[in-house]
Formats: sequence, structure tokens, C-alpha cells
Amino acid sequence: EPEVTQTPSHQVTQMGQEVILRCVPISNHLYFYWYRQILGQKVEFLVSFYNNEISEKSEIFDDQFSVERPDGSNFTLKIRSTKLEDSAMYFCASRAPSDSFGNSPLHFGNGTRLTVT
Amino acid sequence: SQQGEEDPQALSIQEGENATMNCSYKTSINNLQWYRQNSGRGLVHLILIRSNEREKHSGRLRVTLDTSKKSSSLLITASRAADTASYFCATVRSNDYKLSFGAGTTVTVRA
Repeated sequence: EPEVTQTPSHQVTQMGQEVILRCVPISNHLYFYWYRQILGQKVEFLVSFYNNEISEKSEIFDDQFSVERPDGSNFTLKIRSTKLEDSAMYFCASRAPSDSFGNSPLHFGNGTRLTVT
Repeated sequence: SQQGEEDPQALSIQEGENATMNCSYKTSINNLQWYRQNSGRGLVHLILIRSNEREKHSGRLRVTLDTSKKSSSLLITASRAADTASYFCATVRSNDYKLSFGAGTTVTVRA
């Protein structure tokens, strides 16, 4: 079964550094997402992406964050200047088109654990 | 406002017993989904129930949805040690189709 893959599985970076988290969504999916989960807490929506542009973003997704789909397969999340509180698991997800918008499940990758020191 | 709040926060049961967890939400939804997360892993989609459906089954899973009470339940029958995980409900809102997760229920199945 096709799956969403994320690299790296663990990234350690110093505060103020830039990080790029990479994701390869399922190939025929058209909707892409980033979520994050701070240890022991709920899964929080960051951003959704469709048709090569951001369709929605949360208040967490400030100017330090950006997303890109540089080619037909990769979907990246960049954090320009990391802060300690950015330490979390970051999950990429993708979704196939559905009969009515929203009635198809998200497929998640296994996440990238980001540790900011 | 938060959508999808699970109850209880944690559940510990003996192998073979049933596990029931509940999810309440606040706004009108298009559908409600349940996901499982094993420790340190991604979320795995279990089941999706549309707003016009009341019950759905998938293997040992049974999901109910009561839109009048804005609540859903997930029942895992004849639990196994491998069912040990966190379970999250996620709602897709009717007005903006945004999917939001609850805080999850941590289920521990004792052998």
C-alpha cells in the first residue's frame, strides 16, 4: 500500500538555525498538510496546501514557517529561525480527492522529531 | 474553539475486554474520523463516519455518531495487546472543511 514518507526521522538543530523537513506524499493525492505534536499533547494543524498554494494556515504558522512543493513529488516545511518551542513531532499528511470535500481520510507519515537546543 | 474532545484521557483494560472511548465536538461537522497512534509513530486512519451515518463497523471496531448530541464513540471489542495506542477523533467542520484533532485517549491493554 502506498505511504507517506518523511525525512529525516529525527533532526537536532540549534536555536536560530533553519531547518527543512521533507515529505513525499502519496503520488495521486492532491491535498497536503503539515501537523505538529508537542510531546504528550494534541495534534495541531499547521497548514494545508492545494493546487500549489496554501489553502489554509493556523495561527502557529507564522512568518517563520513556509511550505513548498518544489517538484511533483516532494512537499517541504521550512522553519527559518528555530525556537526552543518549535521542538515537536512534525507530521506530513496527504489526501486523495473525494466525492465531496473532506470525505476522505488523511494519510500520515511517521513524522520528523525536531529537537531545538 | 476546540473540536473533538475525547473521554476518558486514559483507559487500562485486560486483554479480551472491550474498550470504549467517546468524543464530543462543538460545531456542525461534515464527517468524523478516528485515528490510532502507536508510540512515536504517525497517525493511522481507522474509520470515517459521515454526518448522515449513525453507526459504522470495521473488523473489531464500532463507531457511532449522534449529531444531536454532537458526540461519537469508538468501541474496540475483544481487545489485544497490540491495540495499545493513543486514539484520536478528528472532525471535519461543515463550514470550512477544516480537520481538527482532539487530545486523544491513551489505551493500555494488559496481557
